[in-house]
Amino acid sequence: ILNVEQSPQSLHVQEGDSTNFTCSFPSSNFYALHWYRWETAKSPEALFVMTLNGDEKKKGRISATLNTKEGYSYLYIKGSQPEDSATYLCASTLDISNFGNEKLTFGTGTRLTIIP
Amino acid sequence: GAVVSQHPSRVICKSGTSVKIECRSLDFQATTMFWYRQFPKKSLMLMATSNEGSKATYEQGVEKDKFLINHASLTLSTLTVTSAHPEDSSFYICSASGQGASYGYTFGSGTRLTVV
Repeated sequence: ILNVEQSPQSLHVQEGDSTNFTCSFPSSNFYALHWYRWETAKSPEALFVMTLNGDEKKKGRISATLNTKEGYSYLYIKGSQPEDSATYLCASTLDISNFGNEKLTFGTGTRLTIIP
Repeated sequence: GAVVSQHPSRVICKSGTSVKIECRSLDFQATTMFWYRQFPKKSLMLMATSNEGSKATYEQGVEKDKFLINHASLTLSTLTVTSAHPEDSSFYICSASGQGASYGYTFGSGTRLTVV
């Protein structure tokens, strides 16, 4: 994988259901994987930054896992609520020594719509 | 938390004119600013990286005379699209990093530029 790829592009989920989507990234020279939540007309909001293989992070009903060897991360949302409707972006960074000054390489995002 | 204010959120300009987009870090010192561009259904693509007081570093294929970046202070960076043409119509967004910025990167809310 040369680029950061996300699937699916869009997703409609019934309120109360759980869902997950995928981010694939180049596993060579990898340092960190970032997840952002982006609501229309607002700034992307940082959800997680993960660096270690097998890492799992949780924030309320949202959690993420990381597999650096095979180059993928999953984002899970449990018991979806209307306020979860947003575009979820993932991005990778490569340089451990320059964190905060290294560019992010983004996927195209997964657009999640929760149906009440 | 760290906040980056980006203005304007939306601008329409005539072909041949220049447009300035501002990003201000409100509660932290933005030592590095990243400028991204996004075409419809595409990922955020890095245009350039600027460090306070230094010249910006442009990504391959980005015209530095077309997209002027100024990062003269730790709280303000500007992107000026000079002699804009319809093909410059796009979504532009900044991201700042520095001491006090969450997760190393804090985004503005973006600017939708339409050149007519």
